[in-house]
Amino acid sequence: DAKTTQPTSMDCAEGRAANLPCNHSTISGNEYVYWYRQIHSQGPQYIIHGLKNNETNEMASLIITEDRKSSTLILPHATLRDTAVYYCIVRVMSGSEKLVFGKGTKLTVNP
Amino acid sequence: DTGVSQNPRHKITKRGQNVTFRCDPISEHNRLYWYRQTLGQGPEFLTYFQNEAQLEKSRLLSDRFSAERPKGSFSTLEIQRTEQGDSAMYLCASSLRVANTEAFFGQGTRLTVV
Repeated sequence: DAKTTQPTSMDCAEGRAANLPCNHSTISGNEYVYWYRQIHSQGPQYIIHGLKNNETNEMASLIITEDRKSSTLILPHATLRDTAVYYCIVRVMSGSEKLVFGKGTKLTVNP
Repeated sequence: DTGVSQNPRHKITKRGQNVTFRCDPISEHNRLYWYRQTLGQGPEFLTYFQNEAQLEKSRLLSDRFSAERPKGSFSTLEIQRTEQGDSAMYLCASSLRVANTEAFFGQGTRLTVV
């Protein structure tokens, strides 16, 4: 079972920041938080991951709380192409390191 | 483009027929995963290969399902005696055998069993 809880859906205005929350209260010390997104009819696309420090790349920023029980993915300037399902995943860093997906958050960016 | 390639993209088959899907991972990636995704759900893990060895299988992988990766490069997923409940998107992903590295997904094969 997925170890994360996300809102089912969110809306965001084009050009504004999209802040997607995720709860992972049972995360273990060696487990990373990964974010993927899936645009309709495509395979999931990696966005970003982190352990305990905040991370930023060309796509997004990841803010992880100090107790690591929750995180927020930030898309700084959302565009219509960012409309997708966003998955927050706690990844077990042993064995296969498979990804265990939940249902994700459907983000709709509106013009 | 040297991403993960899956063929065919779409497959329609009659119930009871066998189907086979192919996945070509990114060339230097030694880890390969198969996932299944039904409408409205996130992808579910099916099986994992490290090189040619199949090291993990989900209980979702019934005995009608078999996966191979004979030379540690491409992989095939076969479903025998298909059922309507097998209708789904079948996704392949690959990654390096390096801790904490991202997996790259293909576009998937959409199977419809009629």
